[in-house]
Amino acid sequence: AQKITQTQPGMFVQEKEAVTLDCTYDTSDQSYGLFWYKQPSSGEMIFLIYQGSYDEQNATEGRYSLNFQKARKSANLVISASQLGDSAMYFCAMREGDSRSGGGADGLTFGKGTHLIIQP
Amino acid sequence: GAGVSQSPSNKVTEKGKDVELRCDPISGHTALYWYRQSLGQGLEFLIYFQGNSAPDKSGLPSDRFSAERTGGSVSTLTIQRTQQEDSAVYLCASSRGGIEKLFFGSGTQLSVL
Repeated sequence: AQKITQTQPGMFVQEKEAVTLDCTYDTSDQSYGLFWYKQPSSGEMIFLIYQGSYDEQNATEGRYSLNFQKARKSANLVISASQLGDSAMYFCAMREGDSRSGGGADGLTFGKGTHLIIQP
Repeated sequence: GAGVSQSPSNKVTEKGKDVELRCDPISGHTALYWYRQSLGQGLEFLIYFQGNSAPDKSGLPSDRFSAERTGGSVSTLTIQRTQQEDSAVYLCASSRGGIEKLFFGSGTQLSVL
């Protein structure tokens, strides 16, 4: 079974609108971390936001927020007031194990990504 | 440099040849990761180094793939007897180990003809 599922291969959104990118995950660990990365056409992977499984508050970083619903194993990324520069691939990822103590030895598991296109 | 550096940025090779891809992590980062990204796909974990511990090689797709990390810094990913299905972007990332944020390089685009 896939550990990270991103159900939206592509999305077209009007500039200035809010965007929600879906991500569901599968793990039996109690401790895990969830990440979102942005990959523009240049190819670099840019870290956006992190949510720990024990964090009670949803993570926020500027225009990015993570809608963490633990019972549903959902970690959707919300981008407020989208901009043309937000056009990119977006990847959801998970690290199992307690990342606070240096666990999660096999790195991050990534979803297949969502291609977001912001239209003027 | 301030970021993760990978070289070469592009590599074209003939089927059956060996290739070496290099990654220079951010200074002081103890953890180093290799990922592979095929066209239009997500990232596939290959191998993970953490300090002086034995690397986690669980993601290497075959015994043609190997990696080493010398002196806890620079890493080389070697693919022997390349096949066309090895064509992909190979991404390297580093982190401070136990810290959640990975910093990625720009990748090496490998094309096997």
